[in-house]
Amino acid sequence: SQTIHQWPATLVQPVGSPLSLECTVEGTSNPNLYWYRQAAGRGLQLLFYSVGIGQISSEVPQNLSASRPQDRQFILSSKKLLLSDSGFYLCAWVGLAGAGELFFGEGSRLTVL
Amino acid sequence: AQSVAQPEDQVNVAEGNPLTVKCTYSVSGNPYLFWYVQYPNRGLQFLLKYITGDNLVKGSYGFEAEFNKSQTSFHLKKPSALVSDSALYFCAVRDAGGYQKVTFGTGTKLQVIP
Repeated sequence: SQTIHQWPATLVQPVGSPLSLECTVEGTSNPNLYWYRQAAGRGLQLLFYSVGIGQISSEVPQNLSASRPQDRQFILSSKKLLLSDSGFYLCAWVGLAGAGELFFGEGSRLTVL
Repeated sequence: AQSVAQPEDQVNVAEGNPLTVKCTYSVSGNPYLFWYVQYPNRGLQFLLKYITGDNLVKGSYGFEAEFNKSQTSFHLKKPSALVSDSALYFCAVRDAGGYQKVTFGTGTKLQVIP
């Protein structure tokens, strides 16, 4: 069966420091992968999606970047964090069959101080 | 552009009573519709989906949703609420013909009162 892992689960970083959040998927190949941010425990904002290795699309201009160095690995990064980058970051992949329902990781909570 | 509206920030219901969480959508083509549930500090879990066919779809944990094309709605329902159903619920939509970009609503907090 397919599983998705995110780490770290919790991160506290000072303003101006770098960031790296990692997401890996097991049990599937060539998945579509997504990074969402959830602010204040509410709506989800799509940040990036990827249909393959090295292919990244950005949905909104921001202080973050994403990379997909391997088929089942998706990384969210920043060179210098801002206070506004705080939030709950969720990685997701699209189910292989059906309507394309998303399956989410357990999330990474980032606090920028 | 596609969009989803969840008009209620919070829904309170007594345990054992039926519950409804409302969702309306806008999409240019035929919609694929989804409901997800999120417990505190957890990722979202897929509950159910509508692709085509029967307007009443059944999902996990006794939840069901009714698709109404004329009203562009996809309300989530359950005949008898449990305290453990208390969580944040998200409605989502994607265009059947387009890239698999899913748009989420702002979420509705369901509180089931014992």
